[in-house]
Amino acid sequence: AQKITQTQPGMFVQEKEAVTLDCTYDTSDPSYGLFWYKQPSSGEMIFLIYQGSYDQQNATEGRYSLNFQKARKSANLVISASQLGDSAMYFCAGKDSNYQLIWGAGTKLIIKP
Amino acid sequence: GAVVSQHPSWVICKSGTSVKIECRSLDFQATTMFWYRQFPKQSLMLMATSNEGSKATYEQGVEKDKFLINHASLTLSTLTVTSAHPEDSSFYICSAYILSSGRENEQFFGPGTRLTVL
Repeated sequence: AQKITQTQPGMFVQEKEAVTLDCTYDTSDPSYGLFWYKQPSSGEMIFLIYQGSYDQQNATEGRYSLNFQKARKSANLVISASQLGDSAMYFCAGKDSNYQLIWGAGTKLIIKP
Repeated sequence: GAVVSQHPSWVICKSGTSVKIECRSLDFQATTMFWYRQFPKQSLMLMATSNEGSKATYEQGVEKDKFLINHASLTLSTLTVTSAHPEDSSFYICSAYILSSGRENEQFFGPGTRLTVL
């Protein structure tokens, strides 16, 4: 079974700075996928970025990029030029063979003006 | 595209009553939907996998007689919390994924339903 670990319960970052949110995973499946979701205070889960285990390049989506290091089993989310609207909970999740998502504990990100 | 709705957005009910939460895929067919619950400041906990036309698969520790799931069509799954008690108060979220090339990697989430049991 997969295990997703997010070791940062919370982070404060100055507006416009880049921020890295850590995520490590543990799986024995050769084929897997890793996701990052944003959950603002309203509760909705917003998909940010996806990285497949066979993808050759790190995924990028606008200001979001995923620093995928297979050997270290890490899939850190990098947000460039942070904005006040980035304040939210961020969850890393891994997809298993049944398409179920295994969730990390989450990181609460607060952007300071 | 790929929108999932939930109804109601929030509900307050008395202890002992039953509450039904609907999850709809508005512009795609969802063979499989997932139901999660989330306690404050915690991560999502998968409750069950809802499959159209068949019985739901419940995660260990989730009472299937208390949390009834019906997935009667390709666009609708319902979760009924029976004889609700205050400890059932939580945020319930559904999700679905598209079984088509290129999009099956992404799950689409409903906006969630906040249940408060008095």
